[in-house]
Amino acid sequence: KAGVTQTPRYLIKTRGQQVTLSCSPISGHRSVSWYQQTPGQGLQFLFEYFSETQRNKGNFPGRFSGRQFSNSRSEMNVSTLELGDSALYLCASSAWGRDGELFFGEGSRLTVL
Amino acid sequence: SQQGEEDPQALSIQEGENATMNCSYKTSINNLQWYRQNSGRGLVHLILIRSNEREKHSGRLRVTLDTSKKSSSLLITASRAADTASYFCATAMYNNNDMRFGAGTRLTVKP
Repeated sequence: KAGVTQTPRYLIKTRGQQVTLSCSPISGHRSVSWYQQTPGQGLQFLFEYFSETQRNKGNFPGRFSGRQFSNSRSEMNVSTLELGDSALYLCASSAWGRDGELFFGEGSRLTVL
Repeated sequence: SQQGEEDPQALSIQEGENATMNCSYKTSINNLQWYRQNSGRGLVHLILIRSNEREKHSGRLRVTLDTSKKSSSLLITASRAADTASYFCATAMYNNNDMRFGAGTRLTVKP
């Protein structure tokens, strides 16, 4: 069974630009969660989607958004990038979400210049 | 916001020794999970312990949970250099749809 796939793995953007990150969950998993990881803040929860519905959202500004498609693939978008958005963005899938085991992708490393 | 806090922040031991990491959390939980992360990679699930369990084993891993103290510990016995990684605890709260992670413990096992 293929694991969680995140694309792109690395990207460099400049301030003010926007970025879209993609996540393909494990086949059959309906829940996708997104996390931002930085050295200073650690792993911060962004949002969780289940069957195309956002069920929960972390404390991030509206510049951070996401969506989930009918095939459970998910995308997150960050608009008007700031230097502080430089981070490793991790996607995790699980069968039902809530308190189940999370399966993580390798992450997308975003650098904002 | 983070739910759990790991202690210590960093731990350095020799191969063969045991490593103990602690996690404290703030609110009632459904379960607590431990994950491992090799540098710059995704996290890997290690073990899950439910709120009605007190201890759980998996190979060289032993996890305890004390809900009265809102704390958990992860013990890695007979550590190996390959155990070098960051270890995170994560908690799922009642009626919530997300897992919150602590800041992690950076474990270094010297050969």
